[in-house]
Amino acid sequence: EVQLVESGGGLVQPGGSLRLSCAASGFTYSSYEMNWVRQAPGKGLEWVSYISGSGSTIYYADSVKGRFTISRDNARNSLYLQMNGLRAEDTAVYYCARASGSSSSDFDYWGQGTLVTVSS
Amino acid sequence: SYELTQPPSVSVSPGQTASITCSGDKLGDQFTCWYQQKPGQSPLLVIYQDTKRPSGIPERFSGSNSGNTATLTISGAQALDEADYYCQAWDSSTYVVFGGGTKLTVL
Repeated sequence: EVQLVESGGGLVQPGGSLRLSCAASGFTYSSYEMNWVRQAPGKGLEWVSYISGSGSTIYYADSVKGRFTISRDNARNSLYLQMNGLRAEDTAVYYCARASGSSSSDFDYWGQGTLVTVSS
Repeated sequence: SYELTQPPSVSVSPGQTASITCSGDKLGDQFTCWYQQKPGQSPLLVIYQDTKRPSGIPERFSGSNSGNTATLTISGAQALDEADYYCQAWDSSTYVVFGGGTKLTVL
């Protein structure tokens, strides 16, 4: 059974840092592209970042470019999101999501999410 | 940047057909997928590659994509289909883009 379990969320002050983790199981992790997607309270989904299976290709949304860093450890079946320079508008539930591997960019499995609150 | 536009809300009577649209420039030239999200839950993929249903998704869910509009159709809508629905596509400059979401009410 495919499972994605996020952790690392919490309350952080503006300008602070936080590192999110996503533990993957039930599939050959290194073979799949992974993404972070966030959802602000009461708002829609916003894609944050993408990383290829090898980690060699990375993309970011303009809203987080230069502040967030995505990475993965295929030996540990883990995905990470290092978030620096956090702002109030970064407050959201952060989901890790697996790209299905089809020719489209759909995400076939999602974690349960971890809440990040940026507030003083 | 590339944008996908969805109606904020759609209402349907039980047993009737609901259609949710997603509009974007030349959207029909690329694959679109759809997610269902119920309150307090993670998104669930219900349609991928415009028309395909993942395993376990009921046949009443179908999709189409042509021109500038993709459409999610729920035939014979049920109360349990009440949820937020998001379309998603890929753009070479924006990479992954989501629509703003549509709240489906079944009443």
